[in-house]
Amino acid sequence: KNQVEQSPQSLIILEGKNCTLQCNYTVSPFSNLRWYKQDTGRGPVSLTIMTFSENTKSNGRYTATLDADTKQSSLHITASQLSDSASYICVVSETSYDKVIFGPGTSLSVIP
Amino acid sequence: DTGVSQDPRHKITKRGQNVTFRCDPISEHNRLYWYRQTLGQGPEFLTYFQNEAQLEKSRLLSDRFSAERPKGSFSTLEIQRTEQGDSAMYLCASRTGTSGRQGEQFFGPGTRLTVL
Repeated sequence: KNQVEQSPQSLIILEGKNCTLQCNYTVSPFSNLRWYKQDTGRGPVSLTIMTFSENTKSNGRYTATLDADTKQSSLHITASQLSDSASYICVVSETSYDKVIFGPGTSLSVIP
Repeated sequence: DTGVSQDPRHKITKRGQNVTFRCDPISEHNRLYWYRQTLGQGPEFLTYFQNEAQLEKSRLLSDRFSAERPKGSFSTLEIQRTEQGDSAMYLCASRTGTSGRQGEQFFGPGTRLTVL
């Protein structure tokens, strides 16, 4: 069964600190993996996308890594800001692009 | 604003009533998706359209749910005889029909449904 799991479920960090979120998936065939940021009460917004041939992708303070062999991805947030408080969702697409599997998300709270 | 829009943003209804939500996708996108998201969970797929054709429906989409996209542009999602378990955020997303942007789906702000 195609699944996407994320850890931790929730995380609280101090402003300015770094953090890393994890994503494990069993989706096959695999096309790409995205990390989305979802603010409370809003729709998800794409942060990064990686295909199976890419190991890392950065978007400002966000850096995503992908190990297609172990089917693991991580999202590293550097120098966190209060506005980073949100849910971060790992989404894996099959090759058709119409089959996307969402992880449950990691709820991040950045506190002053 | 040329993004995906949804209306209404919030809906409160009594159990047993019917509700209808609307989604306007990005104009050049021919794929449109509906998802349901409950608190603390990722979105769950409900159904999707390619133009006006409804190509797939999830088992989550009971016979009380119906979605349409009559002209291949906006879409509506109707829930009949609402139940308290229908309370959730209903998200709409759209994307191009090609492999452009590697199939990225663009999400609307969602409609928050509360069934009393």
